[in-house]
Amino acid sequence: DAGITQSPRHKVTETGTPVTLRCHQTENHRYMYWYRQDPGHGLRLIHYSYGVKDTDKGEVSDGYSVSRSKTEDFLLTLESATSSQTSVYFCAIRPSGGNTEAFFGQGTRLTVV
Amino acid sequence: KQEVTQIPAALSVPEGENLVLNCSFTDSAIYNLQWFRQDPGKGLTSLLLIQSSQREQTSGRLNASLDKSSGRSTLYIAASQPGDSATYLCAADITSGTYKYIFGTGTRLKVLA
Repeated sequence: DAGITQSPRHKVTETGTPVTLRCHQTENHRYMYWYRQDPGHGLRLIHYSYGVKDTDKGEVSDGYSVSRSKTEDFLLTLESATSSQTSVYFCAIRPSGGNTEAFFGQGTRLTVV
Repeated sequence: KQEVTQIPAALSVPEGENLVLNCSFTDSAIYNLQWFRQDPGKGLTSLLLIQSSQREQTSGRLNASLDKSSGRSTLYIAASQPGDSATYLCAADITSGTYKYIFGTGTRLKVLA
C-alpha cells in the first residue's frame, strides 16, 4: 500500500455534522491529494498539497477544507456534511518531480444520512 | 480543459485472449500517463507509468503505449487470466506544475474461465 493509511475506513454520519478524514504517509513524499470517486464520474480531485501548509483547490472543492501541518498527515474536513458528499474518498501521494508514480490509499467510504 | 475518456466502459473476454484497453485525452500537453487497476471495494494499484518522452512501457504481460499527437494511450494485456478481472483506469498528468491527475471513468474487465 505504499505506506499510506486512511482513517477511518468506513463512516456513517448525519447531515450537518462535521467530518474529518485522515491520510497518513510514511514515505515523506511532498505531494498529497484527496480524490472522491462516484459512479459515472470517476475520480475527481478535491484538494491537494505541495508541502507543509501549502494547499490548493481541485475541481470539486466546495464544501471541503484541508490542512497539512506535518509532511506525513493530510486532513480532509467536511465542515457540514451533506448527502451529496456520500462517496468513497481516496488519498494519494507522489514524490517531487513530474515523472513519478502516484500511489493511492485504500479509501474511506463515507455515508451521509 | 483536459478530458480523459476510456472506451469501452465494460469488456468481457474468454481466458487466454489478448486485449487492448483504450484511453483518449483531449490535450496533448501532458507530463505523463499512468495506468491503474482497481478491484471492487479496493484502492488503486499502479500498473505502469509512461513519461511524456516515452512511447511505451512494459511490465510482465502488460504493455502500455502513449501517442501524444493523437491523444491516445493503450494498455495491452497478453494472455488474459481470470485474475485480471478488475476495473482499469488511466490518468493523465496535466501540465500545471502541481502534478494533478485527470482520470478516465475506467474500463471494467471480466475475464471468463
